[in-house]
Amino acid sequence: GQQVMQIPQYQHVQEGEDFTTYCNSSTTLSNIQWYKQRPGGHPVFLIQLVKSGEVKKQKRLTFQFGEAKKNSSLHITATQTTDVGTYFCAGPGPSGSRLTFGEGTQLTVNP
Amino acid sequence: NAGVTQTPKFQVLKTGQSMTLQCAQDMNHEYMSWYRQDPGMGLRLIHYSVGAGITDQGEVPNGYNVSRSTTEDFPLRLLSAAPSQTSVYFCASSRRTSGGGPGEQYFGPGTRLTVT
Repeated sequence: GQQVMQIPQYQHVQEGEDFTTYCNSSTTLSNIQWYKQRPGGHPVFLIQLVKSGEVKKQKRLTFQFGEAKKNSSLHITATQTTDVGTYFCAGPGPSGSRLTFGEGTQLTVNP
Repeated sequence: NAGVTQTPKFQVLKTGQSMTLQCAQDMNHEYMSWYRQDPGMGLRLIHYSVGAGITDQGEVPNGYNVSRSTTEDFPLRLLSAAPSQTSVYFCASSRRTSGGGPGEQYFGPGTRLTVT
């Protein structure tokens, strides 16, 4: 079945440093979604990318979708303590009717 | 709009007991899903539904049943609880995208279940 893998599993940074998490799918994706989950909370949708090579920005967050539509990345510039949480990517399976989530990257930020 | 609501927030069961986790959404979303989240394992899909009367299995369906008699409600039934089902359970809903698949997922607050 489809696999969605994320690296790294954990990332510890000093406040102000940059952070990147990578997502790789075993199959070509029609789209990819990114979510953030704060400790003790529920996942919250951040963005969806659809087009090959697409790049979208949300303030300090930059999302990219690979040319082959099998990988994606989330980059945070100058992390803040409010960025703490787990970041998940998710993509639809071959049937298109269900989402498969990556295992997530847990980000901690030291002030 | 209340969004996606889940009850209960916390539950402790003994092995072998059964129970139903409730999930409701008021956004008229076609898609509804149940996920379980265990430490270090991300979100794993249990069951999902693409509309009232239609359900299908996800990655980890064993030990769980679902039904979707209305657009709004999608209860998850644990048939005979086992310690391996100790987890956090999230319900989510979404619209169908123009491509036919699930769009942005709206998650409920979760149910923290412990089976002893």
